[in-house]
Amino acid sequence: ETGVTQTPRHLVMGMTNKKSLKCEQHLGHNAMYWYKQSAKKPLELMFVYSLEERVENNSVPSRFSPECPNSSHLFLHLHTLQPEDSALYLCASSQDFEWHGELFFGEGSRLTVL
Amino acid sequence: SQQGEEDPQALSIQEGENATMNCSYKTSINNLQWYRQNSGRGLVHLILIRSNEREKHSGRLRVTLDTSKKSSSLLITASRAADTASYFCATDAWAQGGSEKLVFGKGTKLTVNP
Repeated sequence: ETGVTQTPRHLVMGMTNKKSLKCEQHLGHNAMYWYKQSAKKPLELMFVYSLEERVENNSVPSRFSPECPNSSHLFLHLHTLQPEDSALYLCASSQDFEWHGELFFGEGSRLTVL
Repeated sequence: SQQGEEDPQALSIQEGENATMNCSYKTSINNLQWYRQNSGRGLVHLILIRSNEREKHSGRLRVTLDTSKKSSSLLITASRAADTASYFCATDAWAQGGSEKLVFGKGTKLTVNP
């Protein structure tokens, strides 16, 4: 148990569906992240939020829409996805937004787009 | 090309043996981190070594850092079947566009046979 909880753990959706991934951290951290992990590729950073403000958007297609209503919760809204978007989506948090410290990851949401 | 690259891509050993994984990177760093990921799960932070450190220990883990060669190694001694997982190195690096970020390699998949 890392203190970062992701739901759902598994999601299957069609290309026309709209769904959301949820992440909650119980660590009192100020920064939260979305990563995408595809087979045989390195982890790809998607979004970073620091104190509820988006500080990084890594050229992610607009069909992925993040939302951070407070420092404990992070959402990834999904719509009109493509089959190549199938991947493990990992949420992480850190004490503050800086790249020199430890990230705490959730267990991930396995997304399959049909 | 990516900042950190692990070597080998896959490693299979017998229980009780030592496992050594290597990570090479390209640009100067502030620190280097190692993470572990069980199949289909989130990443778990193992150890962080700063650029002014040469060696660090944590239980059965030993990490070395050679900044002159831009490389690090992770040694797991007296391996157990439960050590079976993928191991990733991550370095803070300046990405294209001038923003700093934590960059992960593709990982080494370790299998420890009972």
